[in-house]
Amino acid sequence: AQSVTQLGSHVSVSEGALVLLRCNYSSSVPPYLFWYVQYPNQGLQLLLKYTTGATLVKGINGFEAEFKKSETSFHLTKPSAHMSDAAEYFCAVSGGSGGSYIPTFGRGTSLIVHP
Amino acid sequence: EPEVTQTPSHQVTQMGQEVILRCVPISNHLYFYWYRQILGQKVEFLVSFYNNEISEKSEIFDDQFSVERPDGSNFTLKIRSTKLEDSAMYFCASSEAMDRETLHFGNGTRLTVT
Repeated sequence: AQSVTQLGSHVSVSEGALVLLRCNYSSSVPPYLFWYVQYPNQGLQLLLKYTTGATLVKGINGFEAEFKKSETSFHLTKPSAHMSDAAEYFCAVSGGSGGSYIPTFGRGTSLIVHP
Repeated sequence: EPEVTQTPSHQVTQMGQEVILRCVPISNHLYFYWYRQILGQKVEFLVSFYNNEISEKSEIFDDQFSVERPDGSNFTLKIRSTKLEDSAMYFCASSEAMDRETLHFGNGTRLTVT
C-alpha cells in the first residue's frame, strides 16, 4: 500500500519569502513521487516528478523538490514566493516499477501568499 | 497543448437520479481515470480504464458506478442512483503509454446532489 501525508492544510508566506510544503510518503516499493498544483476552478497540473536518478528534481515555475529516502520525504520548495503561486498543492505517490502505477494523493496544502 | 476536457462543469441532480459525467481524454492517451474530491478532503482514486476494460478500481467504486468508452474519444462515468454523499468534484485524467504514471487532468465536474 502507498500513501502520502502532507503536513499543514494551509501555509501562509509573504511575497518573496521561501516556500516550503511538506510531504512524507509510505510505500513498500521504490516510489515515484509527484507534486501537482491546482489553481481555482482548474484541474491538477503536474509541477514535477521523481522516478529514478537525481534526487533533486526541478519543476515548472521555479519549484523544486528533493527525494530523501532516509526521511521518506519529498518536500516542495521555491526560494521566492510570487502572488501567482497561490494555489492548492498536492503530493502524490505511485508504486513505480514494483507496485501500482496509479498515483495516490495527499489531502493538499493551500498556499497563501501575502503582499 | 492538448488537454483533457470535461462536461458539464457543474451538475446538480436530485438524490436517486442517474447522472453521467463526460470526459474527452487527450487523443493519443491509452489510460483513463476518474478521481473525486469531496470538499475539504483528499483527491481519491475511483477507477482506471485501459484497453476497453477496468484495470483497477477502489472500494469507493461500487455497483452504483460504471465507466464506459462509447466511442473513440469519450470516456464517461455513470452514477446510477445518486446519494447525498456523492456530492464532490469529479476529475477525469488520462496518461500515455510511455509515461502512464503522469496523469493529465481535466478541470473537473462539480456534482451537487440535493
